[in-house]
Amino acid sequence: AQTVTQSQPEMSVQEAETVTLSCTYDTSESDYYLFWYKQPPSRQMILVIRQEAYKQQNATENRFSVNFQKAAKSFSLKISDSQLGDAAMYFCAYRSAMWDGGSQGNLIFGKGTKLSVKP
Amino acid sequence: NAGVTQTPKFRILKIGQSMTLQCAQDMNHNYMYWYRQDPGMGLKLIYYSVGAGITDKGEVPNGYNVSRSTTEDFPLRLELAAPSQTSVYFCASIRGEGEAFFGQGTRLTVV
Repeated sequence: AQTVTQSQPEMSVQEAETVTLSCTYDTSESDYYLFWYKQPPSRQMILVIRQEAYKQQNATENRFSVNFQKAAKSFSLKISDSQLGDAAMYFCAYRSAMWDGGSQGNLIFGKGTKLSVKP
Repeated sequence: NAGVTQTPKFRILKIGQSMTLQCAQDMNHNYMYWYRQDPGMGLKLIYYSVGAGITDKGEVPNGYNVSRSTTEDFPLRLELAAPSQTSVYFCASIRGEGEAFFGQGTRLTVV
């Protein structure tokens, strides 16, 4: 079974600085997707960034980028120029690319990292 | 585009009561999911559905039931509510290989 581990329960960053959130995962599959979701106090789950395992190039979305290390099974999120609105829980999630197995596209989540942004 | 609509947003139940959490999506997604989120934990899968008439258990199905009579709707039924079911519940749908779309969540308290 796949697992996702976020080893940092809480992180803090100064406004305008850069912060990196860690995520490791365990799988025997070669084809899968990885995601970072943001959950602000409103509870809404917001997709931040996604990475396909077959792509070697790291995904980037504006101030958000990932460092995807497939062999090490590591998927960290870097937030540049941090803003007050970035304060939230961040969840790393894994999804198999195989749709005929038992997972059926289910997302497997880590426990989350609570990010605080100091003005 | 409404996306995934989940109701209610908040609910307090007494032990032993029953209720249904509603979930509807207007994106014609076949795959739909119910998760629960407990404090300090990620989301855990309760039930999922791969299409109308087809449902299956996830990681934590005990105490819950689902049905999927249409592509759009995927209600979650709680029978005989227990304090252990106090949680935040999320409904989600996925289009093929794309991202998951989530409802706004339901905060349920069982007292």
